[in-house]
Formats: sequence, C-alpha cells, structure tokens
Amino acid sequence: EVHLVESGGGLVQPGGSLRLSCVVSGFTFSDSTMNWVRQAPGKGLEWVSYISSSSGTIYYTDSVKGRFTVSRDNAKNSLYLQMNNLRAEDTAIYYCAKSDGYSFFDYWGQGTLVTVSS
Amino acid sequence: EIVLTQSPDFQSVTPKEKVTITCRASQSIGTSLHWYQQKPDQSPKLLINYASQSISGVPSRFSGSGSGTDFTLTINSLEAEDAAVYYCHQSITLPWTFGQGTKVEIK
Repeated sequence: EVHLVESGGGLVQPGGSLRLSCVVSGFTFSDSTMNWVRQAPGKGLEWVSYISSSSGTIYYTDSVKGRFTVSRDNAKNSLYLQMNNLRAEDTAIYYCAKSDGYSFFDYWGQGTLVTVSS
Repeated sequence: EIVLTQSPDFQSVTPKEKVTITCRASQSIGTSLHWYQQKPDQSPKLLINYASQSISGVPSRFSGSGSGTDFTLTINSLEAEDAAVYYCHQSITLPWTFGQGTKVEIK
C-alpha cells in the first residue's frame, strides 16, 4: 500500500523559515517524480514544485522561486521543501504528491499545515 | 499560464441523478487534462487521467471526455459518498494549473 506522510508544518512569523518533509513507502521512490502542491484555507489547489527522480530537473511556480528549495534523498525515501522568507500568502496545507512524469498526480499525502502569521 | 475555468462552482444534486462538470482551458491542451475528487478534510484523489482514461479502483460511474479546450467530468447515478469538490488539472505547460473547483452537494 502506498503511503506519503508529510511533516514539518507549523506556525512561523513572516520572513521566517520552515523545512517540510515527506516520507514515502509502497512504491519505488528513486524512480518517481515528486511534487509539492498547496491549498490555502478554503481555497483551491496550487502546484508549487516538481523534482525529477534523480534531482536533475526541478521546477517551481513563480511565486516561490528564489524562496523555496525542493530536494530529495532517495536513500531515505524522502522529499523535502525548504521554505525561506515566508509570507502570509504562503499559508496553506502543503501536500507531497507523486506524479507520473510530467502529468497527473497519482498519489497524495495527507498534508501538513503551514501558517505564516505574526 | 493556462487558466482552467470550471462550471458550475456549486451543484446540489439528488442521489441517482447525473452530474456534469465542465472545465474550459484558456488554450488548447490536447488531452493533458486530469480530474480529482477531494472530500472534506481529505487529500485529493485521482479520478480520471488524460481526459478520459479510467483509474483502477475508481467507480465506473465516473467518466471523462473532451479534448482541446473543453472537457467534461460525468458522474452517472450520483451516490451520497460522491459529495466532494472536484478539480480539473492541466499538465501540458508549466506552471501546471488547476480549475477553481466544483463543489457537489447531496440534497
């Protein structure tokens, strides 16, 4: 059975930093492309970042470029999102999601809530 | 950025009724359009990929159609467990984008 478990969310002040983690099981992580997708409270879904299986290709949505860094450790079946210079508009549930290459998101975690507020 | 516009935003439906949700793209995306279901306090779940391809484990009452700029998600004979928000998503061009969502309520 596939599992993706995010952690690391919490309350942080504007300008602060957080590092999210996602540990996966049930599929071959080292062969899989991964993403972060977020959802502001009561709002829709927004794709944030993509990382290829080897970390050789990385993409970000414009609003987080230069502030967020995605990475992975295939030996630990883990995906990360380092978030710096956080803003109020980054407040959201952050989901890690496996993608089938550059296409659909076939597995999702349960999400971790990030709240940016003073 | 490709904008996906779903209609309607909200639909209240009686069980066993047929539900149709549309998703219109701001430019042609071929069939690189996928549908998700998000139930309250849950993460999204993939329902349909590439506009019309069925997903293992998803009930057969869910189907998709369309290509280019106009797509449809159909739920035949709605069940109470189908109360959720439904999102379309395009994967042809970065940034990958989602529709604003359609909330389906059971009367």
